[in-house]
Amino acid sequence: QLQLQESGPGQVKPSETLSLTCTVSGGSITSTSYYWGWIRQPPGKGLEWIGSIYYSGSTYYNPSLSLKNRVTISVDTSKNQFSLKLSSVNAADTAVYYCARRVRIVGASGGYFDPWGQGNLVTVSS
Amino acid sequence: DIQMTQSPSSLSASVGDRVTITCRASQGLGNSVAWYQQKPGEAPKFLLYAASRLESGVPSRFSGSGSGTDYSLTISSLQPGDFATYYCQQYFSFPYTFGQGTKLEIK
Repeated sequence: QLQLQESGPGQVKPSETLSLTCTVSGGSITSTSYYWGWIRQPPGKGLEWIGSIYYSGSTYYNPSLSLKNRVTISVDTSKNQFSLKLSSVNAADTAVYYCARRVRIVGASGGYFDPWGQGNLVTVSS
Repeated sequence: DIQMTQSPSSLSASVGDRVTITCRASQGLGNSVAWYQQKPGEAPKFLLYAASRLESGVPSRFSGSGSGTDYSLTISSLQPGDFATYYCQQYFSFPYTFGQGTKLEIK
């Protein structure tokens, strides 16, 4: 059974870079049927898609003002991992960060997320 | 970006009730809609995709419908484990967007 696990610091200082890694177990990150994504959820709020990556390194990012030009997602197939870097963080970036597998749907431009990791709460605070 | 507006934001119901949550998109989605269930302190759990295709293992009391801009998730007979927050998601175009959530509470 495929499992995803986020890892990284629980606290980041303002203006610094948030770095998280997602380790995939029970399956290969190089499967051609899937993308791999990051989604975040501020405390008590809804879900925001951050971006997705294919095992080849192709990426799609959310161009929203809150994330614009600050996101980098990378993949390490040798470790079956993918990573998120979010630069110049501020208090609004405080959230639970989830990694998830994005299932490609034939005939559709995108897909749904399943399964999800358990989440990693990152607090931006000095 | 495509805006996804869920209604209601919260809903009180009893075990055995039939409930429907709706999601309205700012433009047509061609059935490219998924639904998730999230319980407190847990990650979202995928329920169904393509507006009405149920994920394997999800109880048949869950169903989805809709077309164009309007979609809905129905739970035919609420069970104690169904009280949670539900989110819709569109994957018709980038960036993927979610509804703001509907919190289903026990009456």
